[in-house]
Amino acid sequence: NAGVTQTPKFQVLKTGQSMTLQCAQDMNHEYMSWYRQDPGMGLRLIHYSVGAGITDQGEVPNGYNVSRSTTEDFPLRLLSAAPSQTSVYFCASIATGRREVETQYFGPGTRLLVL
Amino acid sequence: AQSVTQLDSHVSVSEGTPVLLRCNYSSSYSPSLFWYVQHPNKGLQLLLKYTSAATLVKGINGFEAEFKKSETSFHLTKPSAHMSDAAEYFCVVSVPLYTGRRALTFGSGTRLQVQP
Repeated sequence: NAGVTQTPKFQVLKTGQSMTLQCAQDMNHEYMSWYRQDPGMGLRLIHYSVGAGITDQGEVPNGYNVSRSTTEDFPLRLLSAAPSQTSVYFCASIATGRREVETQYFGPGTRLLVL
Repeated sequence: AQSVTQLDSHVSVSEGTPVLLRCNYSSSYSPSLFWYVQHPNKGLQLLLKYTSAATLVKGINGFEAEFKKSETSFHLTKPSAHMSDAAEYFCVVSVPLYTGRRALTFGSGTRLQVQP
């Protein structure tokens, strides 16, 4: 049971380049989400998904796309990278159910630098 | 809408002394509350969570938090700080919405320094 995995761990992009941040979980969680973490701002929600085929926007969705074709995978795409997207990105999945209260499991993060 | 305020951006304590990290929240609904810890260049680890079963919640590594509805607070405490506790701590409030979304709001974080 690997939990939530993210690749790559670190990436450098040039302005205008596109890329996909990968996220996968093997816990059969329905709910997955992407956050970005910037100094002094905590974590902000980019996009989330409540199940395969269903996605929605969070607080800061501009410049990012997501899709959810399977329960396990939730990739985040940067369409045209900008320096403002330099951040640390965390993927999370949520365990729900009667016995567990919305515990989020976070991946190790992807550090992105846009030059 | 809900919000979370971590009252101190930095807290410095000496090793062996008590730790208090303060968190106040506001929510229109009965929230779930969490504390997460993030060590440098690491992901977030769940310390503890409030499930409404008990107001005093015990977590990992000797941390505790007390839910006080009248004060809308969920402060994190530890009786005796250890050097390995130096990290950033996040208070999180979660409210389930009818759309299926969990409205999660993170505090801005408190950086804990532990002096030898």
